[in-house]
Amino acid sequence: EPEVTQTPSHQVTQMGQEVILRCVPISNHLYFYWYRQILGQKVEFLVSFYNNEISEKSEIFDDQFSVERPDGSNFTLKIRSTKLEDSAMYFCASSIGGTKNTEAFFGQGTRLTVV
Amino acid sequence: AQSVTQPDIHITVSEGASLELRCNYSYGATPYLFWYVQSPGQGLQLLLKYFSGDTLVQGIKGFEAEFKRSQSSFNLRKPSVHWSDAAEYFCAVGAYYGTDKLIFGTGTRLQVFP
Repeated sequence: EPEVTQTPSHQVTQMGQEVILRCVPISNHLYFYWYRQILGQKVEFLVSFYNNEISEKSEIFDDQFSVERPDGSNFTLKIRSTKLEDSAMYFCASSIGGTKNTEAFFGQGTRLTVV
Repeated sequence: AQSVTQPDIHITVSEGASLELRCNYSYGATPYLFWYVQSPGQGLQLLLKYFSGDTLVQGIKGFEAEFKRSQSSFNLRKPSVHWSDAAEYFCAVGAYYGTDKLIFGTGTRLQVFP
């Protein structure tokens, strides 16, 4: 069964360092998303990506964040200068036709710990 | 603004008992609604979804949910819980128009005792 794969499963980084979280969406999917969950809080939308550009982003997704689909298979989230409050579980998701019409498949998450 | 409330942070049931997980949403128009489950070390898996039509929705693993517009609720139910159902359950809401994002609740952790 096809699945969304995220690497690494856990990353520890020092405050101020850049991190890149990687995701391999399902191969025929066209819509890609990042969500995050700070411990004990809600799963929050960060950004959606379609046709090689950001289609929507939340207030959380400021200039410190960027996304890229560098090679047609990977979908990455970069945080340029991490803060303590960026510590969270980050989920990647993909869908064929957007969440209104088709199921969004989520990865198992990357737990980011900023120290 | 859209929001989702899952009032129960943690629920414990005995294996074989019935289960109901509560979800209330706030949204100005007709929403579409989801329940996702996350087992330890796994991604979020879709259990069921409601877009329109019959308000009682059947999902995978024997789960069902009922959309009640008057109560702004979309509670998840299962008549007999299995130990393998122990997981975290998330309710989510989306919009028919405009945004493609999902708004999630904080989740309910289900523990099952033998």
